Amino acid sequence: NAGVTQTPKFRILKIGQSMTLQCAQDMNHNYMYWYRQDPGMGLKLIYYSVGAGITDKGEVPNGYNVSRSTTEDFPLRLELAAPSQTSVYFCASQGQGPFHSSYNEQFFGPGTRLTVL
Amino acid sequence: DAKTTQPPSMDCAEGRAANLPCNHSTISGNEYVYWYRQIHSQGPQYIIHGLKNNETNEMASLIITEDRKSSTLILPHATLRDTAVYYCIVRVAGTYKYIFGTGTRLKVLA
Repeated sequence: NAGVTQTPKFRILKIGQSMTLQCAQDMNHNYMYWYRQDPGMGLKLIYYSVGAGITDKGEVPNGYNVSRSTTEDFPLRLELAAPSQTSVYFCASQGQGPFHSSYNEQFFGPGTRLTVL
Repeated sequence: DAKTTQPPSMDCAEGRAANLPCNHSTISGNEYVYWYRQIHSQGPQYIIHGLKNNETNEMASLIITEDRKSSTLILPHATLRDTAVYYCIVRVAGTYKYIFGTGTRLKVLA
């Protein structure tokens, strides 16, 4: 299993440009997440999904959009990039199961480092 | 949503136990506490989680106070490879939504 994969690893955008960060998992997990991590800070939840066709906002959703058309993929769309979106973006997935079980482990991808100039 | 508070940094001698505290005084009765760690700039790695009983696995032990307002992650014999940022996280009740805090930067000293 490849686990959680993210592309690209690095990207530089100009202000106002748009892009899609790709995330895929091959573990048949229902739950997927997007986080951002600013330098020296913890992770902030942007959006999450509990299954194909179902998404919900996290703590910092403004400026982002997501879709979940398949179980495997959960792309994050940035429209009109701004310098405040310079960050490292992590995608994660989690299996479904009882709350008190090993299904509760989130598996993280390697991250995408985005710079907006 | 329940918030967590952790000290920003701690040092620990190699081979000694590392005790990382976390305050979650606003936690509700059915919210779980999770611990993850992040080494360098890699994606976070799951360590352990619990509700109200103490938990132990091959990586660490989790001690939760009886009133559930705080918890402690214990790495019994810290090694240099345990140097990382450790996050104490509460999952929002009834959801699969997780709120990360700012974490504790643990430095294990040789």
